[in-house]
Amino acid sequence: KAGVTQTPRYLIKTRGQQVTLSCSPISGHRSVSWYQQTPGQGLQFLFEYFSETQRNKGNFPGRFSGRQFSNSRSEMNVSTLELGDSALYLCASSLDTARTGELFFGEGSRLTVL
Amino acid sequence: DQQVKQNSPSLSVQEGRISILNCDYTNSMFDYFLWYKKYPAEGPTFLISISSIKDKNEDGRFTVFLNKSAKHLSLHIVPSQPGDSAVYFCAASALGGGGADGLTFGKGTHLIIQP
Repeated sequence: KAGVTQTPRYLIKTRGQQVTLSCSPISGHRSVSWYQQTPGQGLQFLFEYFSETQRNKGNFPGRFSGRQFSNSRSEMNVSTLELGDSALYLCASSLDTARTGELFFGEGSRLTVL
Repeated sequence: DQQVKQNSPSLSVQEGRISILNCDYTNSMFDYFLWYKKYPAEGPTFLISISSIKDKNEDGRFTVFLNKSAKHLSLHIVPSQPGDSAVYFCAASALGGGGADGLTFGKGTHLIIQP
């Protein structure tokens, strides 16, 4: 069974630009959630999508957005990038809600904002 | 306001001994707790979980203990092996409380197993 796939793995952007990250969940998983990992803050919940609907949202500004497609693949977008957005962005999939626990994480997309 | 706290950024343990990783939480709505393990350049992987109706859950060398009155949980690894060297994240969820924040993670503890 293929795992969670995230693309791109690494990217460098400059302040003010926007970025789109992609996540393909494990086949059959309908929930996709996104987390931001930084050295100072650990893993912070961004949002969760289930059947193309945003089900939960963390405490991030509106510059962070996402969507889920009918095949459960998900994208997240960050607009007007700031230096503080430099982080590892992790996508996780699960069969049902992300709150019931066993999330399967991808390897992450490492974003550097210059 | 950090709702899940792992107060030890790192922990060094000798191979074969017991590793004890601690986690405290403040949100009384949390009723489901998990531990994840993360190697460098990889995503976190699920290790073990515990529901608030239990105080202990065991899986092989890994045991998680939950003390609800103290809002504290711990992960015991016995015996510790070199492959256990990784960052361990404690996470919590409010399944029954209608919480809408996904999993809330601690900042992690870097466990180093010394040969």
